[in-house]
Amino acid sequence: DIVMTQSPASLAVSLGERATINCKSSQSVLFSSNNKNYLGWYQKKPGQPPKLLIYWASTRESGVPDRFSGSGSGTDFTLTISSLQAEDVAVYYCQQYYGHPYTFGQGTRLEIK
Amino acid sequence: EVQLVESGGDLVQPGGSLRLSCAASGFTFSTYWMTWFRQAPGKGLEWLANIKQDGSERSYVDSVKGRFTISRDNAKSSLYLQMNSLRVEDTAVYYCATERPGSSCSDHWGQGTLVTVSS
Repeated sequence: DIVMTQSPASLAVSLGERATINCKSSQSVLFSSNNKNYLGWYQKKPGQPPKLLIYWASTRESGVPDRFSGSGSGTDFTLTISSLQAEDVAVYYCQQYYGHPYTFGQGTRLEIK
Repeated sequence: EVQLVESGGDLVQPGGSLRLSCAASGFTFSTYWMTWFRQAPGKGLEWLANIKQDGSERSYVDSVKGRFTISRDNAKSSLYLQMNSLRVEDTAVYYCATERPGSSCSDHWGQGTLVTVSS
């Protein structure tokens, strides 16, 4: 199985400041035939289902604010929130969908400083 | 509007069985891969299983393989998860979700149904 490791486990950022979450996969999730990284980012708030933010490592899902962006390739990926808003408090997960089972990172809890 | 509504969650004893359902509406169910996930209390998200549009392909995570069975009824726009030999560690909120066409990440999710395995 592909192991996904996120860092940090928790993060406190001031409103309006940048938040950066990292995700590393135990093997490359870049599919050479289409040059796509099979990596997504989700936001999870208590009592709500997960929300897809980013797919193909850097493509923003429809309706997701542009302060959310994804980057990286191969085994190293980053989710960046450019200017933290109060409603962004949540746990964030990366997920690889390169190979079964489609594994998640352990999550990063984002709070307001 | 895409809607997914899970049902069937309950309190069950270890070793027992349960069948979860996911009723889909607002999209052409038969054209989507579908997935089950779960989140145990205080834990992270876990992908459990997925199933192809016509049911001809299914995959499972090792922790449920041989105990859980994913299935679908396209005529009823419904997804199912048959759970047998339940363990205390299967206690979780279970979610169904669509797989985004062209990729395998999940873009629409139900609200979840709680399964509690306890004596």
